[in-house]
Amino acid sequence: DAGVIQSPRHEVTEMGQEVTLRCKPISGHNSLFWYRQTMMRGLELLIYFNNNVPIDDSGMPEDRFSAKMPNASFSTLKIQPSEPRDSAVYFCASRARGAHNTGELFFGEGSRLTVL
Amino acid sequence: TQLLEQSPQFLSIQEGENLTVYCNSSSVFSSLQWYRQEPGEGPVLLVTVVTGGEVKKLKRLTFQFGDARKDSSLHITAAQPGDTGLYLCAGPFSGNTGKLIFGQGTTLQVKP
Repeated sequence: DAGVIQSPRHEVTEMGQEVTLRCKPISGHNSLFWYRQTMMRGLELLIYFNNNVPIDDSGMPEDRFSAKMPNASFSTLKIQPSEPRDSAVYFCASRARGAHNTGELFFGEGSRLTVL
Repeated sequence: TQLLEQSPQFLSIQEGENLTVYCNSSSVFSSLQWYRQEPGEGPVLLVTVVTGGEVKKLKRLTFQFGDARKDSSLHITAAQPGDTGLYLCAGPFSGNTGKLIFGQGTTLQVKP
């Protein structure tokens, strides 16, 4: 079975450019999470969707970041304009319906973003 | 603010040694999870503990949830090079929101 699929795996861009990261969760999962991982700050939750609705976006750094989930099988995280401090690995994860607080998160392989 | 603090941050040991890593909080968690992450990959769930005092074993790995549900530990017996990786604890944010927060992680290196 296919796991969580993220694209691109690697992105190198210049400061000021728009970056769009994509995620396809596991079919049938109804919760989707976007995390950012850096050496300094570890794994930070950016935003969390349940049934395609954003539940908590308190971790989104600032207005330059936006996330959408137009349907149950697709989500995007957009950074516009990008800055060097946005360089990190961005992970998408999904969770099955029902296991609200104890369910396993299934992570994609991550999108490594480098902003020059 | 609910935080999960892990210690040590880094650990480098020889094959065959035992080790323990810790996950602590000042807040009570309804459950805690442990994940392992290898370079270039996303974290993968090892175990979920839900009851205070609970002990779970996964081969050479022993997980314990504190009686007060504010802390957890992971003990590895006779570590192998294949145990090398980043170990992360995670717990649900307060309230029944479904939001999951992670500790900073412990990087373990097991040398042959």
